Amino acid sequence: GENVEQHPSTLSVQEGDSAVIKCTYSDSASNYFPWYKQELGKGPQLIIDIRSNVGEKKDQRIAVTLNKTAKHFSLHITETQPEDSAVYFCAASMGWGNTPLVFGKGTRLSVIA
Amino acid sequence: KAGVTQTPRYLIKTRGQQVTLSCSPISGHRSVSWYQQTPGQGLQFLFEYFSETQRNKGNFPGRFSGRQFSNSRSEMNVSTLELGDSALYLCASSPRLRDRAYEQYFGPGTRLTVT
Repeated sequence: GENVEQHPSTLSVQEGDSAVIKCTYSDSASNYFPWYKQELGKGPQLIIDIRSNVGEKKDQRIAVTLNKTAKHFSLHITETQPEDSAVYFCAASMGWGNTPLVFGKGTRLSVIA
Repeated sequence: KAGVTQTPRYLIKTRGQQVTLSCSPISGHRSVSWYQQTPGQGLQFLFEYFSETQRNKGNFPGRFSGRQFSNSRSEMNVSTLELGDSALYLCASSPRLRDRAYEQYFGPGTRLTVT
């Protein structure tokens, strides 16, 4: 089955700097890659996603890139703010009909003011 | 539009008991998935229901079961609770619409503690 590796497990950045979180997946059949942000006491919040027919997607300060050949995808957060501090999870799925998300172990991001 | 709601938010049970958790998906969403989140194992898929039918099942023992009602609300049940079942149980709903079939939106979870 699918296996998703996520690095780093913890990340500390100064406010205003960029943060990058990387994930690799094992199953080339996976074609949907969402990223979730989980704050303390809350459920994961979908912040951005990318499908295998797209190489990059941006939404304001957040961007995701996908390299299908290498089977890895990354989350980029620019101009980080203290409210970006949370645990971030990447996931992979084969999409419709096989929708279970397989998650990475998470990255705890701390943005230091 | 209201998000995914889960009840109860917190639950304390004793080993051997059973528990039922409830999830109401986002209005119009027909798919509900359940995940277990623990510090050691992370987020793991339990099962998915679509149109009252179980469509996918994860690698969990038969003590874990679920169902979905005609209004898309879902329940999951865990029988003969074990200490290792202590976890945050998350429900996710998906629109399962043609161009948005993949998106899953999570509720706040039910924190289950087994003593």
